[in-house]
Amino acid sequence: GQNIDQPTEMTATEGAIVQINCTYQTSGFNGLFWYQQHAGEAPTFLSYNVLDGLEEKGRFSSFLSRSKGYSYLLLKELQMKDSASYLCAVRLSGGYNKLIFGAGTRLAVHP
Amino acid sequence: DGGITQSPKYLFRKEGQNVTLSCEQNLNHDAMYWYRQDPGQGLRLIYYSQIVNDFQKGDIAEGYSVSREKKESFPLTVTSAQKNPTAFYLCASIGTGNHYNEQFFGPGTRLTVL
Repeated sequence: GQNIDQPTEMTATEGAIVQINCTYQTSGFNGLFWYQQHAGEAPTFLSYNVLDGLEEKGRFSSFLSRSKGYSYLLLKELQMKDSASYLCAVRLSGGYNKLIFGAGTRLAVHP
Repeated sequence: DGGITQSPKYLFRKEGQNVTLSCEQNLNHDAMYWYRQDPGQGLRLIYYSQIVNDFQKGDIAEGYSVSREKKESFPLTVTSAQKNPTAFYLCASIGTGNHYNEQFFGPGTRLTVL
């Protein structure tokens, strides 16, 4: 079966750094996506990793270790608007480009 | 501007009625998806399509049907056989070739069964 695990909730302080972890056990792997979703809205694309290592994009960075089945999303200089759910998704290998999503991590940023 | 459109944004349906949710994209993406999201939960895959006239069942396809007659369009029908259809429905697409790493979502349709 397919399994993607993320913490359910996290809290952090404005201006701080937070790391959201994602572990996966899937039948095949062809890339990992991170999305941000504000309440009642559609997810928006944050990052994509297919090779091991760190991808940096402004205040957000994403890391992947394929051998450990592990990824994290790092958010720096937290702002109140970063309060949202963060979804981890794995693209399975094979011809049909199928994605499996984790349940999401709800992040609350406090002043 | 390129993107994915879904209509309507809010939809109300009586029990026993079929309803079709629209999804259109002008991104020239080949692969399109339908997901369902329930409160406080992640996205669950209903159906996906890699190319025109081809689609595959996802993890929760029962009570749903789709068609892919055009590259730009991937409508989802929620049938009366779906026992708990009230949810937030999201359509997405992924590019191929140089755009293989990009996945975009439409704004979603919130379906409520009365």
